[in-house]
Amino acid sequence: AQTVTQSQPEMSVQEAETVTLSCTYDTSESDYYLFWYKQPPSRQMILVIRQEAYKQQNATENRFSVNFQKAAKSFSLKISDSQLGDAAMYFCAYRSAFQGAQKLVFGQGTRLTINP
Amino acid sequence: DADVTQTPRNRITKTGKRIMLECSQTKGHDRMYWYRQDPGLGLRLIYYSFDVKDINKGEISDGYSVSRQAQAKFSLSLESAIPNQTALYFCATKASGFDTDTQYFGPGTRLTVL
Repeated sequence: AQTVTQSQPEMSVQEAETVTLSCTYDTSESDYYLFWYKQPPSRQMILVIRQEAYKQQNATENRFSVNFQKAAKSFSLKISDSQLGDAAMYFCAYRSAFQGAQKLVFGQGTRLTINP
Repeated sequence: DADVTQTPRNRITKTGKRIMLECSQTKGHDRMYWYRQDPGLGLRLIYYSFDVKDINKGEISDGYSVSRQAQAKFSLSLESAIPNQTALYFCATKASGFDTDTQYFGPGTRLTVL
């Protein structure tokens, strides 16, 4: 079974600075998807960015980018120019490309605080 | 209007009570999911459904049951609630097909079992 590990329960960063959230995963599959979800205090789960494992190029979405290291099974999220609205719980998630259920396997989450 | 809605948003109940959490979606997706979120554990899958006639257990289905009343509706029931079922519950939907890999989440239901 696949597992996802986020080893940083909490992180903090000064506003306008850059922060990197770590995520590692374990799988024997070669094709899969990886995601970062943001959960603000409103509790809504918001998709931040996704990465297809067969793509070597790291995904980017405005101030959010990932460092995908397939051999190391690492998928970190970099947030540049941090803003107060970035404060939230961040979850890393895995989905097999082959599994029929297409379910998400989540990490434990990292709570990000932005200091003004 | 939200694409995925959950009712109630918050619920407090007592041990032994039966409770139903409801999820509705207007996205036209055929796949629906119920997850449970606990602090330090992330989200874990309870049940999922491919369509009205196809329901499957997830990794933590014990103590729960579901009903897919229509393509747009997927309900989660706790037949006899217990305190360790206190958690945040999310419904999610997804279109079928491997190239449509985004799940859309509802706003969550916070359930407290006393």
